[in-house]
Amino acid sequence: GNSVTQMEGPVTLSEEAFLTINCTYTATGYPSLFWYVQYPGEGLQLLLKATKADDKGSNKGFEATYRKETTSFHLEKGSVQVSDSAVYFCALSDLGQGAQKLVFGQGTRLTINP
Amino acid sequence: NAGVTQTPKFQVLKTGQSMTLQCAQDMNHNSMYWYRQDPGMGLRLIYYSASEGTTDKGEVPNGYNVSRLNKREFSLRLESAAPSQTSVYFCASISDVVKRDTQYFGPGTRLTVL
Repeated sequence: GNSVTQMEGPVTLSEEAFLTINCTYTATGYPSLFWYVQYPGEGLQLLLKATKADDKGSNKGFEATYRKETTSFHLEKGSVQVSDSAVYFCALSDLGQGAQKLVFGQGTRLTINP
Repeated sequence: NAGVTQTPKFQVLKTGQSMTLQCAQDMNHNSMYWYRQDPGMGLRLIYYSASEGTTDKGEVPNGYNVSRLNKREFSLRLESAAPSQTSVYFCASISDVVKRDTQYFGPGTRLTVL
């Protein structure tokens, strides 16, 4: 079945450091790929998405490119801020029976120190 | 526009007790979903409703039942709670699956079963 594997955390960086969180996937067909972010005590919010190969999703300085050849969707940001501290989830969509069933990675906790 | 709302926010149950988690969305979305989030495991799909009047099992349906009461509301019921159901439960909805729209999440219900 479909699956998502994320970089193990937790990840701790200093403010203004470069961030990469790795995500690889296994899927049949052509899923959409997502990064969701969860701030403490809150639900998940969509950070960015890509719906086909070579698409680049971007938002709030974060970027990720849908790489079909390496089955990857790594999250990057050039200069992180303390406010980026959160848990990040990579996910793919499994479409079928008229529904969009999301398959999530285990999440990566990111802490940014001032 | 409140988005996706969930009640209650917190609940403590004893083993064997029953309860219903409520979810409502005011975005006129067609599909609704219930996920559970456990430490180190990301989110896993419990049940989903592709449209009003239909429900289907997800990855981890055992011990749960659902009702799609109308287009707005989708409830999750635990008939006889077990400690293994201690988790954070998230409801989500999406407007158009075919168009690969974004899935929106509620704030979650934190459930503890003693």
